[in-house]
Amino acid sequence: GENVEQHPSTLSVQEGDSAVIKCTYSDSASNYFPWYKQELGKRPQLIIDIRSNVGEKKDQRIAVTLNKTAKHFSLHITETQPEDSAVYFCAASNSGAGSYQLTFGKGTKLSVIP
Amino acid sequence: DGGITQSPKYLFRKEGQNVTLSCEQNLNHDAMYWYRQDPGQGLRLIYYSQIVNDFQKGDIAEGYSVSREKKESFPLTVTSAQKNPTAFYLCASTPGGYNEQFFGPGTRLTVL
Repeated sequence: GENVEQHPSTLSVQEGDSAVIKCTYSDSASNYFPWYKQELGKRPQLIIDIRSNVGEKKDQRIAVTLNKTAKHFSLHITETQPEDSAVYFCAASNSGAGSYQLTFGKGTKLSVIP
Repeated sequence: DGGITQSPKYLFRKEGQNVTLSCEQNLNHDAMYWYRQDPGQGLRLIYYSQIVNDFQKGDIAEGYSVSREKKESFPLTVTSAQKNPTAFYLCASTPGGYNEQFFGPGTRLTVL
């Protein structure tokens, strides 16, 4: 089955700096890669996703890049703000398998220092 | 806020007791999922169901059971066979043929 590794497990940045979180996956058939943000005690919420036919996707201060050859994808947050502090999870899915299961990384706790 | 509800928000159980966590959605989604979240472990899949009256084991199904008698409902029972049930449980759903999963607010289960 799929295995997703996520690094780093914790990340502290100064407000206004950029943050990068990286994930690798094992199943070359995976074709959907979402990123979820989970604030303390809350439910995970989708912030951005990318499909395997696209190399990069941006949404304001957030971007995701995908390298299918190396089987890794990254989340980039620019101009970080205190409200970006949360746990971020990457995930991978093979929708061709029909089940749309997501395999999650273990999460990165991002702290933005004012 | 997403149309997925979970109850109760907090649940306390004595050792040896079975408990059932509720998950309801009014989004007309076909597929529903149960995850367990432990600190530093991410989200691990317990069970999932793609259609009514059908469900599949996930990665950590031992000690858990589910049913899917209605499209809107996917309850999870934590049995006494689950050795370490204290955790945060999240339910999610997704429309058929679509990847994005929408999560409920979660239930925090504590075994006393």
